[in-house]
Amino acid sequence: QQQVKQSPQSLIVQKGGISIINCAYENTAFDYFPWYQQFPGKGPALLIAIRPDVSEKKEGRFTISFNKSAKQFSLHIMDSQPGDSATYFCAAIAFRGSNYKLTFGKGTLLTVNP
Amino acid sequence: KAGVTQTPRYLIKTRGQQVTLSCSPISGHRSVSWYQQTPGQGLQFLFEYFSETQRNKGNFPGRFSGRQFSNSRSEMNVSTLELGDSALYLCASSFRRGRTNTEAFFGQGTRLTVV
Repeated sequence: QQQVKQSPQSLIVQKGGISIINCAYENTAFDYFPWYQQFPGKGPALLIAIRPDVSEKKEGRFTISFNKSAKQFSLHIMDSQPGDSATYFCAAIAFRGSNYKLTFGKGTLLTVNP
Repeated sequence: KAGVTQTPRYLIKTRGQQVTLSCSPISGHRSVSWYQQTPGQGLQFLFEYFSETQRNKGNFPGRFSGRQFSNSRSEMNVSTLELGDSALYLCASSFRRGRTNTEAFFGQGTRLTVV
């Protein structure tokens, strides 16, 4: 049962363009929504995160847009660079008492052409 | 501040054997989670330990187990290895106090190959 659906599976963007990755969740009880970036041979690295009571968060070239009513959130990478080429994962965190669980989307392989 | 350290980085095991993977979290972090990453299934949650207690468990068979020590270091064990257990096993640590400081920081993973 996949609770976080991510699209597209892969994305090719030209240098300087905007990369957009979308995620949708099913569990309304998620509390926190991080995005991770993973390079080959490395573990995922936290990129940016948002709480559900915020509609947008920007850090440098990276912006998360969050639509609570639609249960959707997206990552925008402005002025995409070849160094941004990596796999991006959206995720959702649920807290239940002392329980903590991070659920990931399937990932998006981003390629930024020079 | 040192990051999450996983050892070993690479392992090759034979079907039927067992394996133990180790994870040292970021200093001060008390929560350690384990994930299995494969090309087909993506990142799948195995279990989370907090203060030496398993708090949550994913949908994996009992061959997968773990534990956490008083210094927050964690180990994961897989018994009776199967070919399908070949994957990158990732450990993540989190400070985890209430609903703040919830970000999880990952190690580089242990690449397990079962032959």
